[in-house]
Amino acid sequence: NAGVTQTPKFRVLKTGQSMTLLCAQDMNHEYMYWYRQDPGMGLRLIHYSVGEGTTAKGEVPDGYNVSRLKKQNFLLGLESAAPSQTSVYFCASSYSSLGGYNEQFFGPGTRLTVL
Amino acid sequence: GQQVMQIPQYQHVQEGEDFTTYCNSSTTLSNIQWYKQRPGGHPVFLIQLVKSGEVKKQKRLTFQFGEAKKNSSLHITATQTTDVGTYFCAGPLSGTYKYIFGTGTRLKVLA
Repeated sequence: NAGVTQTPKFRVLKTGQSMTLLCAQDMNHEYMYWYRQDPGMGLRLIHYSVGEGTTAKGEVPDGYNVSRLKKQNFLLGLESAAPSQTSVYFCASSYSSLGGYNEQFFGPGTRLTVL
Repeated sequence: GQQVMQIPQYQHVQEGEDFTTYCNSSTTLSNIQWYKQRPGGHPVFLIQLVKSGEVKKQKRLTFQFGEAKKNSSLHITATQTTDVGTYFCAGPLSGTYKYIFGTGTRLKVLA
């Protein structure tokens, strides 16, 4: 099993450009998350999904959109990139259990630079 | 809003010394998770604590969840160079599956 994979690994954008980050998991997990990690600020939740076709906002959703058309994929879109979106982006997934919380499995990350 | 703070932000120790990082939440948590991130890597799950006052051990690592379920700690006994990395705690926003991560403690171990 590949676990959680992210595409691409690195990307450089110019201000105003758009792009989509792809996250895929092969563990049949219900929940998927997008985080950004900036130096000294830990991980901040951008958007998350508790199932196919559903998405919800996290702590820092502005400037991002997401879609979960298939259970195994979670896409993060930047419509008009800004330098403030320079960061490392991590996708994570976890399985669901009745009323329970479970460990999150993280992908390797995407390092995005916006010039 | 809910905040999860960790102290210290950085810690340098000599190999063989002990290390502790503390996690404090502004609100009561239903559970708390701990993750380790090696330099250049991604967070990897270590453990989850659910019960008030719970203590769990993994070899040299001891995890505690406070009685009030608002704080937690991770203690490493006799650190090794393989312990290098950043340790994060994370707790769910009340009634949701949205996790709030602490700011992390970066551990450096000097051989």
